[in-house]
Amino acid sequence: AQTIHQWPVAEIKAVGSPLSLGCTIKGKSSPNLYWYWQATGGTLQQLFYSITVGQVESVVQLNLSASRPKDDQFILSTEKLLLSHSGFYLCAWSGDGNTLYFGEGSRLIVV
Amino acid sequence: GDSVIQMQGQVTLSENDFLFINCTYSTTGYPTLFWYVQYSGEGPQLLLQVTTANNKGSSRGFEATYDKGTTSFHLQKTSVQEIDSAVYYCAMRDRGSALGRLHFGAGTQLIVIP
Repeated sequence: AQTIHQWPVAEIKAVGSPLSLGCTIKGKSSPNLYWYWQATGGTLQQLFYSITVGQVESVVQLNLSASRPKDDQFILSTEKLLLSHSGFYLCAWSGDGNTLYFGEGSRLIVV
Repeated sequence: GDSVIQMQGQVTLSENDFLFINCTYSTTGYPTLFWYVQYSGEGPQLLLQVTTANNKGSSRGFEATYDKGTTSFHLQKTSVQEIDSAVYYCAMRDRGSALGRLHFGAGTQLIVIP
């Protein structure tokens, strides 16, 4: 069975500090990977997707970047956080490009 | 452009009430339609999906029919329970769009009072 793990579960960070969120998928070879962002009480907005190692496509940047260093790993990062980065970050995978399977999410509070 | 519209931000029901959550979509393509459910503090999980127009999807007592004529995909359940309390998202993927790109509606929070 496939599993998806996100880390950290939650973070409180200062404005201007760096951020790195991670996501690992086990049990699925060459998955399509996605980052979504959800403001508190808001809908889900796709940020990035990747169909293969080393290749990432940006949908909405929000002053964030993403990388896929390994087949099973997807990283979301920024060098300088803004207050507007607060929210819930969700990693997801898909095998067929149709159905998405989400991780448990990482909650970020920027102060 | 492609979009999904859910009008109700919050729905409050008592146990065993009938649930209806409105969802309409807009696209020029041939979409696959989804309902996702998100419990508090968790990531969304797939509730049901329908790929073909005029077909119905069902799961855990929830149903939705892909109505191409009215471009709707309303979610229904005959008798809700307290454990159904969650946020429900209607979503659409145009098969011609970027791989895996889903358009989500605004979400509807369902509160079921025991």
